[in-house]
Amino acid sequence: DAKTTQPTSMDCAEGRAANLPCNHSTISGNEYVYWCRQIHSQGPQYIIHGLKNNETNEMASLIITEDRKSSTLILPHATLRDTAVYYCIVRGPALQGAQKLVFGQGTRLTINP
Amino acid sequence: GAGVSQSPSNKVTEKGKDVELRCDPISGHTALYWYRQSLGQGLEFLIYFQGNSAPDKSGLPSDRFSAERTGGSVSTLTIQRTQQEDSAVYLCAWRGVISGANVLTFGAGSRLTVL
Repeated sequence: DAKTTQPTSMDCAEGRAANLPCNHSTISGNEYVYWCRQIHSQGPQYIIHGLKNNETNEMASLIITEDRKSSTLILPHATLRDTAVYYCIVRGPALQGAQKLVFGQGTRLTINP
Repeated sequence: GAGVSQSPSNKVTEKGKDVELRCDPISGHTALYWYRQSLGQGLEFLIYFQGNSAPDKSGLPSDRFSAERTGGSVSTLTIQRTQQEDSAVYLCAWRGVISGANVLTFGAGSRLTVL
């Protein structure tokens, strides 16, 4: 019951910006958008999250549309080590105070030399 | 990942045996999650703990699976009468605040193989 839609795969040239889209049209007002990635044979890694405003950290930038129905993760200068599956996750609805994170199938990003 | 210790890293067991998988997150975390990942598949949500609230068990695949969190910190995922389809990597994650920033940290996982 993932609440996000992402392209199955994308390619990007090394050194260029990688822009990964995510649709979350059913997001509600108090739900956060999280991005994680999983490099082959490694555990998942948190990247960034946001609610309404655009966010930036040392790894990436997160652009959330004004209506919050979609977002874009930007890796400004992609390297070969950024090849991974990228997951866009909406923190689930509150249920007795609990808010689970449900992963979809993600986008397999391949950085090409 | 830093701040989350999982044990054992690898477990091979025979069908029908019980197994316990342990997650030891950094103290002060807000929430704790268990996921599993079968070979070549995505992450499947299992269970979620937050504070003193009742855990969200909606992802547990059967009543052979249970989890508890003791003292608001260490969590144990128990699988009874293991089946071959239980073979997967079981991942623990915690959500909390580090240096004023909300983060989500995953452990390295426990690889379970049921023969």
